Amino acid sequence: LAKTTQPISMDSYEGQEVNITCSHNNIATNDYITWYQQFPSQGPRFIIQGYKTKVTNEVASLFIPADRKSSTLSLPRVSLSDTAVYYCLVGPPGAGFQKLVFGTGTRLLVSP
Amino acid sequence: ETGVTQSPTHLIKTRGQQVTLRCSSQSGHNTVSWYQQALGQGPQFIFQYYREEENGRGNFPPRFSGLQFPNYSSELNVNALELDDSALYLCASSNRDRGDGYTFGSGTRLTVV
Repeated sequence: LAKTTQPISMDSYEGQEVNITCSHNNIATNDYITWYQQFPSQGPRFIIQGYKTKVTNEVASLFIPADRKSSTLSLPRVSLSDTAVYYCLVGPPGAGFQKLVFGTGTRLLVSP
Repeated sequence: ETGVTQSPTHLIKTRGQQVTLRCSSQSGHNTVSWYQQALGQGPQFIFQYYREEENGRGNFPPRFSGLQFPNYSSELNVNALELDDSALYLCASSNRDRGDGYTFGSGTRLTVV
């Protein structure tokens, strides 16, 4: 599975939009980009998945440029409860039969 | 639909002892994967079970072993515990046949002293 690179940490304030960028230069043609959120002492939770252009759900948006070598997770109007670690992974879709390769993730701290 | 449940939530063991961690997969899921997460690190893949057979293993020694039962629940066994085995152990279930993504449990926090 392709290796990913993310910032180690980010700080924000309540109500702001947060954009976390992930680079994945060696992404394969059939790979999707998936983002997980993890709170302390809990398992990772699926946030969003996409292949190209833009995907939006009730939680976040995912922007993927044409070359797919990077992606940006956008969290609109963050709140204190969005403080968590965010992981970017690349791999086949519905990859419940593949091992997931996590990096160290991005620690987002949202302050009042 | 029930989620993934793990037990116990916390555990303290002495170096050299053996431990068994348990995982009940989400209803409808037939694949279970185990991950080890050290403090400040991302989860690392230990192994996966599909229909009671091991179906892939990460870079972990043989003293890490597992089982999957006919109801798709699973156990992770670690023998001869070392201090570095202290971590959060996560179980994730999915349905390989349907191509579902993973659902993670909240983990078992193991401390080896």
